[in-house]
Amino acid sequence: GDSVTQMEGPVTLSEEAFLTINCTYTATGYPSLFWYVQYPGEGLQLLLKATKADDKGSNKGFEATYRKETTSFHLEKGSVQVSDSAVYFCALLPNDYKLSFGAGTTVTVRA
Amino acid sequence: DGGITQSPKYLFRKEGQNVTLSCEQNLNHDAMYWYRQDPGQGLRLIYYSQIVNDFQKGDIAEGYSVSREKKESFPLTVTSAQKNPTAFYLCASSILTTPYGYTFGSGTRLTVV
Repeated sequence: GDSVTQMEGPVTLSEEAFLTINCTYTATGYPSLFWYVQYPGEGLQLLLKATKADDKGSNKGFEATYRKETTSFHLEKGSVQVSDSAVYFCALLPNDYKLSFGAGTTVTVRA
Repeated sequence: DGGITQSPKYLFRKEGQNVTLSCEQNLNHDAMYWYRQDPGQGLRLIYYSQIVNDFQKGDIAEGYSVSREKKESFPLTVTSAQKNPTAFYLCASSILTTPYGYTFGSGTRLTVV
């Protein structure tokens, strides 16, 4: 079935460092791909999305490109801040509209 | 403003007690979902509903029950049959037939005392 494999954490970075979180997927058809962010004690918020191959989603300095040839949707940010400390989830939406989530990656940014 | 409201934010349950978690949305979304999240873990689907008066089991439905009598509401009951209910519960909703993803509520933290 459709699934998402996400880089395991936790990831600890210094402020202004470069962040990348790897995400690969297995799916039939042409799913949409998402990154969600969860701050402590809160629900998930949509960070960015891409609905077809070669689309680039971007928001708040984060970017991810839908790569069909490598079945990947890696999340990147060039210069992280303490406020980016959160759990990040990669997700895939197949044709049945049941979202499949990765296990989540905890990111901690130190001042 | 449109969104999903989960209540209460914190809930305490005694052994052998049923409790109901509320989830209401005013986004006019077709589908609604319940997830369970354990500390340091990902999300596991409990139940989902794509239309009023119909719902489907997810991956971990045992010990839980739901109803969908109105499009806006999808309450989750954690029954006494759920042996380890302490967790963070998240409700979500979505529009079917569009790839916009899900909108999540702010969650309910359930603790057994």
